Amino acid sequence: DVKVTQSSRYLVKRTGEKVFLECVQDMDHENMFWYRQDPGLGLRLIYFSYDVKMKEKGDIPEGYSVSREKKERFSLILESASTNQTSMYLCASSLLAGGNIQYFGAGTRLSVL
Amino acid sequence: KQEVTQIPAALSVPEGENLVLNCSFTDSAIYNLQWFRQDPGKGLTSLLLIQSSQREQTSGRLNASLDKSSGRSTLYIAASQPGDSATYLCASSGSRLTFGEGTQLTVNP
Repeated sequence: DVKVTQSSRYLVKRTGEKVFLECVQDMDHENMFWYRQDPGLGLRLIYFSYDVKMKEKGDIPEGYSVSREKKERFSLILESASTNQTSMYLCASSLLAGGNIQYFGAGTRLSVL
Repeated sequence: KQEVTQIPAALSVPEGENLVLNCSFTDSAIYNLQWFRQDPGKGLTSLLLIQSSQREQTSGRLNASLDKSSGRSTLYIAASQPGDSATYLCASSGSRLTFGEGTQLTVNP
């Protein structure tokens, strides 16, 4: 079975802090994704990556950056956390681009105070 | 820009009932249509994927259909059980996934 592991289930941070959310997949997938999920807005794509050291902006990249130094690991970085970044963050991976099944991690619920 | 809509937003049924969840999308140029399940506070679990060339997919008590021409997909759940209670999301796949907001299903014992 594919396993996508997010390092933290819950995080509480202060405004202005630099925050790292880590995601690791164990199936040698090419593609990895970061989403945020908010009530009434659904899942929105923040960033994705089709290969090591490669990144593409999604629909809401502002205030975020990403890092993919190794194939299995995709990190989401909040350079200076703000209260409007309080959300559920979901990482996903898929074997190939386009129409492949995406496998999701359990999510990280981030609260920025 | 693709838009995906799910109706109803919430549904409550007695155990044993057959039910249908609806998903509509505005752009028919998709690779596939995926259905996911999400339990409270958890990530998403893939249930079914229907390729654009297919009409339906089945897994156990679940059957998903796809009508690209009308921009619609349905998820049929037979003989519902309390364990089916969750939020069900559909997502259309073009260059990226576009998600609906989900249908929150409650199956009452």
